[in-house]
Amino acid sequence: NAGVTQTPKFRILKIGQSMTLQCTQDMNHNYMYWYRQDPGMGLKLIYYSVGAGITDKGEVPNGYNVSRSTTEDFPLRLELAAPSQTSVYFCASTRTGSYEQYFGPGTRLTVT
Amino acid sequence: KQEVTQIPAALSVPEGENLVLNCSFTDSAIYNLQWFRQDPGKGLTSLLLIQSSQREQTSGRLNASLDKSSGRSTLYIAASQPGDSATYLCAFISGTYKYIFGTGTRLKVLA
Repeated sequence: NAGVTQTPKFRILKIGQSMTLQCTQDMNHNYMYWYRQDPGMGLKLIYYSVGAGITDKGEVPNGYNVSRSTTEDFPLRLELAAPSQTSVYFCASTRTGSYEQYFGPGTRLTVT
Repeated sequence: KQEVTQIPAALSVPEGENLVLNCSFTDSAIYNLQWFRQDPGKGLTSLLLIQSSQREQTSGRLNASLDKSSGRSTLYIAASQPGDSATYLCAFISGTYKYIFGTGTRLKVLA
C-alpha cells in the first residue's frame, strides 16, 4: 500500500492564482482530512469528509473548497490565493472504528 | 472548546536519558488520544494510539499513558538516542473523529 499520497510536494503561487492540492489514499478509509501547519503551530483542520459525497468545514475553511467524489480522493481547492495561505498542507485519513490517523508527506505552498 | 497543551515546547538532552513528554487537555470527556512523531520537512508518523478504555500503550522504548481524570497524557521515551530527535505531537480525538493537535515538543538528543 502507498498509504496517503499528496501532490505536488512544493508550489509557489502568485496572489490571486488558484490551484488544487491532490490527496489520494489506498487504504479504503472513510474519513479524510485537510490540515494546515504554520511554523511553530499545531495543525489546524481546514475540511474533513466522512465518506464519498459528504464534506464539512473545520476550524479554518475560509478561502478553500473540497469535494469527495470517490473514497480514495479528497482534493483541496484554493481560490484567489493570498499570502495568508502560505503554509504546509497535510492530508490524512482514518478508518471507521480505528481512530488511528495516517498522514501524507505534505505540500509546501508559498503565495507571493 | 477543547484545547491541547504540550510541555515543554523544546527539550535538549544527552543520549541515554529517559524522557517524559506531557500533553494536557481541557475536556475530560476524551475519547481517544494519539501520539505522533514529525521529522523536519516530513509528515506525521503515528507512534501510539490510546483508546478511551485504555490507560496505556507500549511500543518498543515508547510508553504512553492516559489519565482522563487529570486531563493528561504522558509519552515516556526510554534510553533516548540521537535518532529520536524530532517533534512529538499529541492529538485529542473526539467520538466524531475530529482531531485536535497540540503544538508539539521539539526534542533534540545529543550524541
